Amino acid sequence: DIQMTQSPSSLSASVGDRVTITCRASQSVNRYLNWYQQKPGKAPKLLIYAASSLQSGVPSRFSGSGSGTDFTLTISSLQPEDFATYYCQQSNNSPRTFGQGTKVEIK
Amino acid sequence: EVQLVESGGGLVQPGRSLRLSCAASGFTFDDYAMHWVRQAPGQGLEWVSRISWNSGIIEYADSVKGRFTISRDNAKNSLYLQMNSLRPEDTALYYCAKVGRIGMLDAFDIWGQGTMVTVSS
Repeated sequence: DIQMTQSPSSLSASVGDRVTITCRASQSVNRYLNWYQQKPGKAPKLLIYAASSLQSGVPSRFSGSGSGTDFTLTISSLQPEDFATYYCQQSNNSPRTFGQGTKVEIK
Repeated sequence: EVQLVESGGGLVQPGRSLRLSCAASGFTFDDYAMHWVRQAPGQGLEWVSRISWNSGIIEYADSVKGRFTISRDNAKNSLYLQMNSLRPEDTALYYCAKVGRIGMLDAFDIWGQGTMVTVSS
């Protein structure tokens, strides 16, 4: 199975900050890497697919990069509605695997 | 509106069975693969199972293989998860999720709201 490791597990940031979350795969997943946002009590929401493609309706302050084993999700200017938990997921192989999540909290 | 609505969760004793359903609307159901993903209370996301558009490809996580069965009825726009020999560690919120269009590299673009399964005596 491909293991997905996110860092950090949590972070505190202020509105307007630039935030970067990294995701590392235990073997290459090519560009089959997706990012989801989950708010408390809600279902996950797709933000980025295929490593760097912005899902329709997602604000442009979200961006993704990387290929192979190392990936990054960046929020260019953190907004109040962005405080949530973020998960990476590989869809290159089964079992599909998720990272452990990164909780973004208000500083 | 594209929508997935899960049902069938509840409280069940260890060793018993439960069948989850996911009703799809607002898109051509039989064009897309579907997945089940679960989330234990306070924990992260765990992929459970996948079924292709025509049921020709079915896969499971090792943690549920041999106990859970995924199926779909394209005529009824519905996805199912038959869960047998349930264990306390199967306690979770179960989501169904739709795979995106070609080019989205199998990302899950639509999720249901989830149905809670609690396994306890």
